[in-house]
Amino acid sequence: QQPVQSPQAVILREGEDAVINCSSSKALYSVHWYRQKHGEAPVFLMILLKGGEQKGHEKISASFNEKKQQSSLYLTASQLSYSGTYFCGTSGGSNYKLTFGKGTLLTVNP
Amino acid sequence: DGGITQSPKYLFRKEGQNVTLSCEQNLNHDAMYWYRQDPGQGLRLIYYSQIVNDFQKGDIAEGYSVSREKKESFPLTVTSAQKNPTAFYLCASSPRAENTEAFFGQGTRLTVV
Repeated sequence: QQPVQSPQAVILREGEDAVINCSSSKALYSVHWYRQKHGEAPVFLMILLKGGEQKGHEKISASFNEKKQQSSLYLTASQLSYSGTYFCGTSGGSNYKLTFGKGTLLTVNP
Repeated sequence: DGGITQSPKYLFRKEGQNVTLSCEQNLNHDAMYWYRQDPGQGLRLIYYSQIVNDFQKGDIAEGYSVSREKKESFPLTVTSAQKNPTAFYLCASSPRAENTEAFFGQGTRLTVV
């Protein structure tokens, strides 16, 4: 069952912030975040494990609330290069089944 | 260079024919995955394998088959039973541990006419 992402799409001006949410109806062991540019393979951003951790990657960070089975990706001071489709992937345990959401299309304009 | 390779990049087949998509990795990863990508549907899991000679159905396995005879190879066959085979197919691999990233291939765009 795919995790649910919101919003489906967002348009920003360069320098603005955005939040992308990911939620699951199942208990989560880990949450993965990827970005895909048009016509290219998805590229890894970060993984968060259960325990409620938060991670940062330059101006992109994420949080994971295992009790709520939710994760959020934070993009601050967006750059043109941030444009793409963001996917969250969820894993429920040790069976390595990695399931992705439908994605959030982020467009950053000058 | 280590990586994951899918071939071919574009594939055309006539309706009713089976077709096999190749996925090879030289990263020594245990786990491998096949996803289907359609506009607005995200990445949907077809099959995945944790170890050689073992694989499990994903969320949309009907009409597809796989094999995992070698650690580095995980071919996907799209059979004539798959009603809407035209799509972009992505293969991925990851190390044995759960908390590590998945590496994706560049994908194969299959068109069935």
